[in-house]
Amino acid sequence: AQKVTQAQTEISVVEKEDVTLDCVYETRDTTYYLFWYKQPPSGELVFLIRRNSFDEQNEISGRYSWNFQKSTSSFNFTITASQVVDSAVYFCALTGTGNQFYFGTGTSLTVIP
Amino acid sequence: SQTIHQWPATLVQPVGSPLSLECTVEGTSNPNLYWYRQAAGRGLQLLFYSVGIGQISSEVPQNLSASRPQDRQFILSSKKLLLSDSGFYLCAWCTGTANTGELFFGEGSRLTVL
Repeated sequence: AQKVTQAQTEISVVEKEDVTLDCVYETRDTTYYLFWYKQPPSGELVFLIRRNSFDEQNEISGRYSWNFQKSTSSFNFTITASQVVDSAVYFCALTGTGNQFYFGTGTSLTVIP
Repeated sequence: SQTIHQWPATLVQPVGSPLSLECTVEGTSNPNLYWYRQAAGRGLQLLFYSVGIGQISSEVPQNLSASRPQDRQFILSSKKLLLSDSGFYLCAWCTGTANTGELFFGEGSRLTVL
């Protein structure tokens, strides 16, 4: 079965601190894709990144970085030097050979100024 | 460029009344279309998805239904709303092969059933 687990329900950090959001997935597919989305208070989900199962290179985009480890079935997301605008709910998602996208329950991040 | 719109943005309905939420995609053809619900809290629950006109797959049995009368139109309906239908409904699309592209979401429709 396909499943995404985000064990952290809520996280609060003080501005400029680094924060890591955890994502653990389960799948029987050998080819799959992992995603991170951001949901600001406005509600619309914003795509952040997509990784395929054959590419375990870490990726950095500005203050955002992602650590994909197949050995532990994890796809963690780190925000460096957090800012108030980073406050949002963040979702990890998985898709495989089917047409469904499976989302975790989300992690609510609050950055305190 | 591709865009996705859904409406209405906000809806307050009494229990037992019907529901119709609409979603349209522009700038692409033959997209996969999805309806998700986000109840109070945050998790995204997949309700329906469609890979083509008239093709609907249901993930969760309930009193909701979906239809795809045109290639880029996806409608979520109910004949009689329940209190438990309250939530934030999100329409989304991706290119025809789901496992190579990302989902693009609409602005969402917030439904309150009283």
